[in-house]
Amino acid sequence: DAGVIQSPRHEVTEMGQEVTLRCKPISGHNSLFWYRQTMMRGLELLIYFNNNVPIDDSGMPEDRFSAKMPNASFSTLKIQPSEPRDSAVYFCASSLLGYTQYFGPGTRLTVL
Amino acid sequence: QQPVQSPQAVILREGEDAVINCSSSKALYSVHWYRQKHGEAPVFLMILLKGGEQMRHEKISASFNEKKQQSSLYLTASQLSYSGTYFCGTEMTAGGTSYGKLTFGQGTILTVHP
Repeated sequence: DAGVIQSPRHEVTEMGQEVTLRCKPISGHNSLFWYRQTMMRGLELLIYFNNNVPIDDSGMPEDRFSAKMPNASFSTLKIQPSEPRDSAVYFCASSLLGYTQYFGPGTRLTVL
Repeated sequence: QQPVQSPQAVILREGEDAVINCSSSKALYSVHWYRQKHGEAPVFLMILLKGGEQMRHEKISASFNEKKQQSSLYLTASQLSYSGTYFCGTEMTAGGTSYGKLTFGQGTILTVHP
């Protein structure tokens, strides 16, 4: 079975540009989580969905960040406009019924 | 509330044992342990539920003391492949209402030398 799929794996962009990160959860999983990982702040939960509905977005740092889950097999995290301090590795994870979370390979974002 | 892990780093020789602790200031429903190798995604090791038993994954085991609100990860006879950063993720309430929301500790870097 395919695991969680994220794209792109690497993204380099300039400050002010829009960035869209994509995630395909494991088929059948009903919860999806977006995390950001940096050396300074560790692994932070940004937002999570259950049955495609956003449950808690209190971790989203600013209005520049938005996330959607239009269906059970796809989610996006958008940053507009991007800033250098957004540089991080962004992970998507999915789970079934709130148990084990399976992480995707991550997207390494660099904002110049 | 982020759980606190200790120690921050551990250096071992192959075959030695180590213990990593995870403490919370709030009551916990479950504790999840993950290992992350450099440049890779965190990988699930085990989950400990309130009222549940001690878990084991190969030569790695873990316990959950509900009263003390802490969990410990025991690595026995360490192997080179155990090197990585270990994270505990804590869940405050039962899955039905939090949907498995985890708050991760800052991580413990484990290095195993030959």
